[in-house]
Amino acid sequence: QSALTQPASVSGSPGQSISISCTGTSSDVGGYDYVSWYQQHPGKAPKLMIYDVSKRPSGVSNRFSGSKSGNTASLTVSGLQAEDEADYYCCSWAGSRFYVFGFGTKVTVV
Amino acid sequence: EVQLVESGGGLVQPGGSLRLSCAASGFTFSSCKFHWVRQAPGKGLEWVAYIDTSGNTIYYADSVKGRFTISRDSAKNSLYLQVTSLRAEDTAVYYCARECGEVYNFDLWGQGTLVTVSS
Repeated sequence: QSALTQPASVSGSPGQSISISCTGTSSDVGGYDYVSWYQQHPGKAPKLMIYDVSKRPSGVSNRFSGSKSGNTASLTVSGLQAEDEADYYCCSWAGSRFYVFGFGTKVTVV
Repeated sequence: EVQLVESGGGLVQPGGSLRLSCAASGFTFSSCKFHWVRQAPGKGLEWVAYIDTSGNTIYYADSVKGRFTISRDSAKNSLYLQVTSLRAEDTAVYYCARECGEVYNFDLWGQGTLVTVSS
C-alpha cells in the first residue's frame, strides 16, 4: 500500500495557525470523504482529532479543523499551543486496500 | 474506563511466532469492529488487519497476508493477532484500534505492544 504524502515537518509560533497537507490519489483521498487525522505524542498511542474530512470528535478542541480539495486533505491548527507539538498522521479509506496512512508530519512549536 | 490494552509482544527470532492480545473494557465489545495497526521504530503508521463484529469478515495488508491471523473472542472481550514467519521488517509497535458503527476511523487505540524480530 502506498502511503499518503505529508510534509515531514511544520513549525509555528504560539498563537499562529499552521496547516498540514495530505496528498493521495483518486483511489483514496479523492475518492472518499473518509479522511481522518491522528495526533501522536512521543511514546503515546495515536488520538483521533478529525474524521470524515472535517468532523471533530467530542472533546477535541475547535482549534483543529479539516478540509479536502481533490486528492489533497488538510489539517489546520489555529491558535497554536505548546501542547500541540506532536506527530500528525492523515488516514484515508482506500476501498479494496482498506486504509492507508500518511508518512506523518512533525509539528514543532517554536 | 473505556480502554484497549495490548500484550504479548517481545523479542523473537526471524521465522518465529507470537500471539498478540488486546483486552477491551468499558464498552460493548461485540458492537465494534477492530483493526491492528503497526508502527516501525521511528516510522509512520501502517494498517495491518481488520475483523468485523462477527469475526466472519477479515482483511489483511498485502505485507502480512498469509503470515498473520486476526481473530476475536467476544466471551473474553479480546482481540488477537497471531503473527508467524516473522521478518526483521515486522519489528514494530502493534496497536489495536476500535471502529464502532458505520464509520471509517479509529476512535480508540491501545497503548501498543512492541514486537522485535532479531537473531
